[in-house]
Amino acid sequence: AQSVTQPDIHITVSEGASLELRCNYSYGATPYLFWYVQSPGQGLQLLLKYFSGDTLVQGIKGFEAEFKRSQSSFNLRKPSVHWSDAAEYFCAVGAHSGNTPLVFGKGTRLSVIA
Amino acid sequence: KAGVTQTPRYLIKTRGQQVTLSCSPISGHRSVSWYQQTPGQGLQFLFEYFSETQRNKGNFPGRFSGRQFSNSRSEMNVSTLELGDSALYLCASSLAGDGNQPQHFGDGTRLSIL
Repeated sequence: AQSVTQPDIHITVSEGASLELRCNYSYGATPYLFWYVQSPGQGLQLLLKYFSGDTLVQGIKGFEAEFKRSQSSFNLRKPSVHWSDAAEYFCAVGAHSGNTPLVFGKGTRLSVIA
Repeated sequence: KAGVTQTPRYLIKTRGQQVTLSCSPISGHRSVSWYQQTPGQGLQFLFEYFSETQRNKGNFPGRFSGRQFSNSRSEMNVSTLELGDSALYLCASSLAGDGNQPQHFGDGTRLSIL
């Protein structure tokens, strides 16, 4: 079964600074990987996904993520954070076999300060 | 295309009561999953329905049940409510629930147990 770890519970960055949110997964093959964002009082919105091919994937809102097989990681990055990026971010992994549900990490809460 | 719709948005119940939550998936999506989100436990998978059949189930007691109708709409029922059931309940839909298909989330139902 697959699993996901987001090592950082809470991160604070200054507006305009760069951002990297960490995600490590455990799965026996190349997984399907996703990043979601959740603003207060709302559901989760898909930021980007990785299935295969180019290991650097671009998403919405200026986010990107890089799949590194050797490190079992799929870190989310943004070169310049905006105050509106303050939210909770979830990494998720999907399996190739059958209809196994996505497994989500526990999330990283991002705070943005002026 | 309309997104995933969850009703009601907010509910207040007392211990021992039962509650039914509703989810209308994106048109054409046949897989509906339910999650419980709490500050301490993050996103926990409840169950997934596909073509009116429960296909996957998380580790929740039998008080939590669900069903899916022929139009893919889904309901979740919780009986004999406990204080610990206070949470945000999220519904997500995808085309067929495969691991490479992103899930699209509703804004959730906030359930508070008094």
